[in-house]
Amino acid sequence: DTEVTQTPKHLVMGMTNKKSLKCEQHMGHRAMYWYKQKAKKPPELMFVYSYEKLSINESVPSRFSPECPNSSLLNLHLHALQPEDSALYLCASSQGTGGSTDTQYFGPGTRLTVL
Amino acid sequence: ILNVEQSPQSLHVQEGDSTNFTCSFPSSNFYALHWYRWETAKSPEALFVMTLNGDEKKKGRISATLNTKEGYSYLYIKGSQPEDSATYLCAFRSGNTPLVFGKGTRLSVIA
Repeated sequence: DTEVTQTPKHLVMGMTNKKSLKCEQHMGHRAMYWYKQKAKKPPELMFVYSYEKLSINESVPSRFSPECPNSSLLNLHLHALQPEDSALYLCASSQGTGGSTDTQYFGPGTRLTVL
Repeated sequence: ILNVEQSPQSLHVQEGDSTNFTCSFPSSNFYALHWYRWETAKSPEALFVMTLNGDEKKKGRISATLNTKEGYSYLYIKGSQPEDSATYLCAFRSGNTPLVFGKGTRLSVIA
């Protein structure tokens, strides 16, 4: 199984809502990533988990809260978002060796709209 | 801030044409260069990871070259087919840092 799955595919939420994005992989990967992608822009790294510990937080606002309950699952909890947070949120995983050939495998993303 | 540039931003080619596009990245402290293929509504798919100056990789009709000294990589598609229509992303790693992506080249192959 070389698939990274993400749910939901689409999410519309108000600025006062609390919601969560989910990501799952069963490749035995030990590193998992959240990216944010706005239209016509490159994917931007938000968080990296390595061996279930948060290793990188790219100065992301606290209204985004990541969680890695186990090595196969990665969540992104959303609270009090702003309309400018509307974007495609991509999850990825990799073996986590940190080596030059450590390839990231991506899910299809969750399209988030904040009203 | 690392800057990864891809050109052209988009291109349209006829079925059967061969095409190529460029990824430019800083030439210092090179670690790895990744190419991804991203079809609409699907997951970005890893094509190649390149680590050595002069590397050439091939997968079917798609190939890539790497020049770390001058900071560029070319992706070539031979005999383009409609199913090659996608956005092609490159991503650069410097030292042992996370991937930095370019904006991508959007390829449309017209039957």
